[in-house]
Amino acid sequence: GAVVSQHPSWVICKSGTSVKIECRSLDFQATTMFWYRQFPKQSLMLMATSNEGSKATYEQGVEKDKFLINHASLTLSTLTVTSAHPEDSSFYICSARDGSRGGTDTQYFGPGTRLTVL
Amino acid sequence: KQEVTQIPAALSVPEGENLVLNCSFTDSAIYNLQWFRQDPGKGLTSLLLIQSSQREQTSGRLNASLDKSSGRSTLYIAASQPGDSATYLCAVLVGDMRFGAGTRLTVKP
Repeated sequence: GAVVSQHPSWVICKSGTSVKIECRSLDFQATTMFWYRQFPKQSLMLMATSNEGSKATYEQGVEKDKFLINHASLTLSTLTVTSAHPEDSSFYICSARDGSRGGTDTQYFGPGTRLTVL
Repeated sequence: KQEVTQIPAALSVPEGENLVLNCSFTDSAIYNLQWFRQDPGKGLTSLLLIQSSQREQTSGRLNASLDKSSGRSTLYIAASQPGDSATYLCAVLVGDMRFGAGTRLTVKP
């Protein structure tokens, strides 16, 4: 089956620093990738949708200048949390849609990245 | 805007019981509905995916049904085990995926 990886699986950083999270589709080409955020005991909230080679589309209330998304290739999307603050501490999960299957079917989820900002 | 609701928010049952988790969504124009399991601090494990044209899917002790016209889905777990303890999330695909808040299930030995 399709596999999506994320790196790192967890990161601890100081307030004010920037953190980059990678999301890779390992055995398929992902024309579309999605970034979600999950706070403790809450559900996943979609942050943004990124299509390869174009700018990401952000959900309402998500600051595009703070959460920089780059989808430079069909197998890699990155999320950079700029000038991170403690309130950005969360579980970040990416998912990828297999472009070879028509684009509206299954999304495959990465294992998530736990970000803790001190 | 699509809203997904899961009831109950939490459920505790003794081992061996059969149980039903509920999911409702406001817009019936979905491509599919998917049930996931999430263990604490972990990512998502896909359990069952029901296409919009399907009524149910089964995998082992799990059975998921979909009534698109009424905006409802149920996840039935037979003969529950302590290892089933986790949060169960329901999500609908409408271009992007929209998730419910989940049901936290505890199965007591």
